[in-house]
Amino acid sequence: DTAVSQTPKYLVTQMGNDKSIKCEQNLGHDTMYWYKQDSKKFLKIMFSYNNKELIINETVPNRFSPKSPDKAHLNLHINSLELGDSAVYFCASSQENPGAYGYTFGSGTRLTVV
Amino acid sequence: TQLLEQSPQFLSIQEGENLTVYCNSSSVFSSLQWYRQEPGEGPVLLVTVVTGGEVKKLKRLTFQFGDARKDSSLHITAAQTGDTGLYLCARGAGSYQLTFGKGTKLSVIP
Repeated sequence: DTAVSQTPKYLVTQMGNDKSIKCEQNLGHDTMYWYKQDSKKFLKIMFSYNNKELIINETVPNRFSPKSPDKAHLNLHINSLELGDSAVYFCASSQENPGAYGYTFGSGTRLTVV
Repeated sequence: TQLLEQSPQFLSIQEGENLTVYCNSSSVFSSLQWYRQEPGEGPVLLVTVVTGGEVKKLKRLTFQFGDARKDSSLHITAAQTGDTGLYLCARGAGSYQLTFGKGTKLSVIP
């Protein structure tokens, strides 16, 4: 069983469309995250949820809206997609204090906006 | 923002060679992690170091945490093509977040 699974793996869409990425973890972790990895491979945090509550919301356009229906799921909805949104988006989960225990990442969703 | 500087940015070596990559900061870490990311996959945790001067080994990989807990190194002995990937260091940034360096992209050529 995959510990952190994201769907879809690839997403190609036109500018202006709305799309969603889903993430599920079966590790029993309390905290889930969305990170964006740009073309230079830099990983930047977007959101962090702990027990379904939003903990961290970095400077992300409000076109990006996360939703956590339960602590095993964290989805990401993006409205009015722009060319600059093209990147790889990673979901991750951890126990509390990820500095001690680390993250488990999904395999990523490569979003291409054309 | 307490930045993590990784060097070199890119490294290409022949199979069988040894290499060392570095992660540095001006701030003290309570702990530091190393991840490896293979193409098309998410990063995978290799090790966490917490004590100044600590050395951990994972087969041919040796991780060292600096005495002052401001830097770390990863040494690979007799590199193999399977070691190819992006090596990322990360530190805790509060209870619910890790901050990552920009990574070292390693290519091991057969």
